[in-house]
Amino acid sequence: KAGVTQTPRYLIKTRGQQVTLSCSPISGHRSVSWYQQTPGQGLQFLFEYFSETQRNKGNFPGRFSGRQFSNSRSEMNVSTLELGDSALYLCASRVETGGSYEQYFGPGTRLTVT
Amino acid sequence: QKEVEQNSGPLSVPEGAIASLNCTYSDRVSQSFFWYRQYSGKSPELIMSIYSNGDKEDGRFTAQLNKASQYVSLLIRDSQPSDSATYLCAPRGQAGTALIFGKGTTLSVSS
Repeated sequence: KAGVTQTPRYLIKTRGQQVTLSCSPISGHRSVSWYQQTPGQGLQFLFEYFSETQRNKGNFPGRFSGRQFSNSRSEMNVSTLELGDSALYLCASRVETGGSYEQYFGPGTRLTVT
Repeated sequence: QKEVEQNSGPLSVPEGAIASLNCTYSDRVSQSFFWYRQYSGKSPELIMSIYSNGDKEDGRFTAQLNKASQYVSLLIRDSQPSDSATYLCAPRGQAGTALIFGKGTTLSVSS
């Protein structure tokens, strides 16, 4: 079974621009979460989507948004980019069955804002 | 604010030794606990999950959970240089909530 895929893998943007990142979960997984990882703050939760609905949201400004499509693929968007948005953005898909819970990460998108 | 605390390290152990990684969490309703390994420049990889108090063994890895003390640990026996990575602890609260991660402990195994 194919793993979580993310595109693009690397991105360079200028301050003030916007960016859209894409994630395709593992087949059969309906939940997709997004995380931001920086050296100083570690892995921080952005939001989670399940069946096209945002189910959980982290403590990030409204410039960060996301959506999920009917095929479970998800996108996240960051508008008005700031230098501090430079980070590794990770998507994770998960499945919960019979009390067990497994979450798997994609390879990430490395965003650099100049 | 749910918090997950891990010693950032680096934790340095010689090859063949036991590495002990610890994690405390603040959310008393956490029911599931996960350990991820992250190599430099790579994404986190799920290596262990534990749902009940006590020990769970998987190969060279043993996860230990004490819900009363809000403490979970990961032991790596016969540590190898390939185990050198950052280990992330992630408790999960109520059903439907997202995984929140600690900042991780960096392990360095010297040959």
